[in-house]
Amino acid sequence: QKEVEQNSGPLSVPEGAIASLNCTYSDRGSQSFFWYRQYSGKSPELIMFIYSNGDKEDGRFTAQLNKASQYVSLLIRDSQPSDSATYLCAVRSSNFGNEKLTFGTGTRLTIIP
Amino acid sequence: GAGVSQSPRYKVTKRGQDVALRCDPISGHVSLYWYRQALGQGPEFLTYFNYEAQQDKSGLPNDRFSAERPEGSISTLTIQRTEQRDSAMYRCASSLSPTPYIAGSDNEQFFGPGTRLTVL
Repeated sequence: QKEVEQNSGPLSVPEGAIASLNCTYSDRGSQSFFWYRQYSGKSPELIMFIYSNGDKEDGRFTAQLNKASQYVSLLIRDSQPSDSATYLCAVRSSNFGNEKLTFGTGTRLTIIP
Repeated sequence: GAGVSQSPRYKVTKRGQDVALRCDPISGHVSLYWYRQALGQGPEFLTYFNYEAQQDKSGLPNDRFSAERPEGSISTLTIQRTEQRDSAMYRCASSLSPTPYIAGSDNEQFFGPGTRLTVL
């Protein structure tokens, strides 16, 4: 089992709709979770992080975390063509003080105008 | 500088040659990380430093790979006796603080543009 799993997609969503991206992780002790966006040929950039169970909203983005189910998701409301990218889920090491991130393979999202 | 910089941006080398990849982190950032990213995959952790101290090198594939950060700023990732399977994008990232467990701190890792390594 991979440490961080994502549906590789591609996921196609009409403009204006909600895009839902999912991620599961295997290390039950993990405490910190991140969503990065990576445009084709570019570097990953952080868009959301979440530590606590529940929802965290930032503009059109909502991250959801369920530690009991070892599941984290990202919702993008009112999807725009500029949201078309690969979305990477990352989990920080559960070892206190260790900063390394373990990434999933990413989900490619395409917003259809 | 404005962001993380890496050099060279592209490196083509012949199998068996040594290569050195350089990373210049954001000024003042304490932590520096190396990742490797294959096409269609997420970044894979290699190693990271707090200041000049290498904290975790568990991701280095084998002893041909090494990294240093002697003055706590610029870092070099060296691959000796390169093999074709080493071909990938090598990404560096830096973050401000080695102590993320501060309320509200996300200790964001900022990524550089990467070095595309091709081993022929």
